[in-house]
Amino acid sequence: ETGVTQTPRHLVMGMTNKKSLKCEQHLGHNAMYWYKQSAKKPLELMFVYSLEERVENNSVPSRFSPECPNSSHLFLHLHTLQPEDSALYLCASSQDLDLWSYTFGSGTRLTVV
Amino acid sequence: SQQGEEDPQALSIQEGENATMNCSYKTSINNLQWYRQNSGRGLVHLILIRSNEREKHSGRLRVTLDTSKKSSSLLITASRAADTASYFCAAAGAWVYQKFYFGSGTKLNVKP
Repeated sequence: ETGVTQTPRHLVMGMTNKKSLKCEQHLGHNAMYWYKQSAKKPLELMFVYSLEERVENNSVPSRFSPECPNSSHLFLHLHTLQPEDSALYLCASSQDLDLWSYTFGSGTRLTVV
Repeated sequence: SQQGEEDPQALSIQEGENATMNCSYKTSINNLQWYRQNSGRGLVHLILIRSNEREKHSGRLRVTLDTSKKSSSLLITASRAADTASYFCAAAGAWVYQKFYFGSGTKLNVKP
């Protein structure tokens, strides 16, 4: 365990479903991130939160909706996804935005059918 | 794009051999980091090299950085089957705040 926990590990959902991914860290970090990892593509930074405020939305479609209720928890709410959204979604945290390194969770493998 | 780009995309070697992976990036950086990812898992931080450093060692890992060429290399010496994983470089620049740009990774297979 890295200290960043993601649930669920695997998720299969239909295009009309609504689901949420959860990320939790108890490292005392102030910044949290969502990344998308698709096969044979670079990791894509989706969202950045610092002290529960979103500081970056990297041109992500509105069918992905992040929520950061406190500095330890980060959610990614999903609705009306497309098959091309199938990917590994990784959460990471860092001490703050002027980070030196990330701590990643193990990811949620999402399949949209 | 300001991504780190790794080369080669895939590398297969025998246990005990050295593995060298390269990374290129496109803009000025504060530091460059290497991460490892076992299949389908999260990334694990391996080593960080600052922009004013040229070489850094950590155990069997050796990282070099050439800011004039905007490139870095990761050398794993005396490789083991357990080193089989994907390796990513992350170029960390300074904009409003520091951000990482990852490449697509080098997939290393170490055969026992």
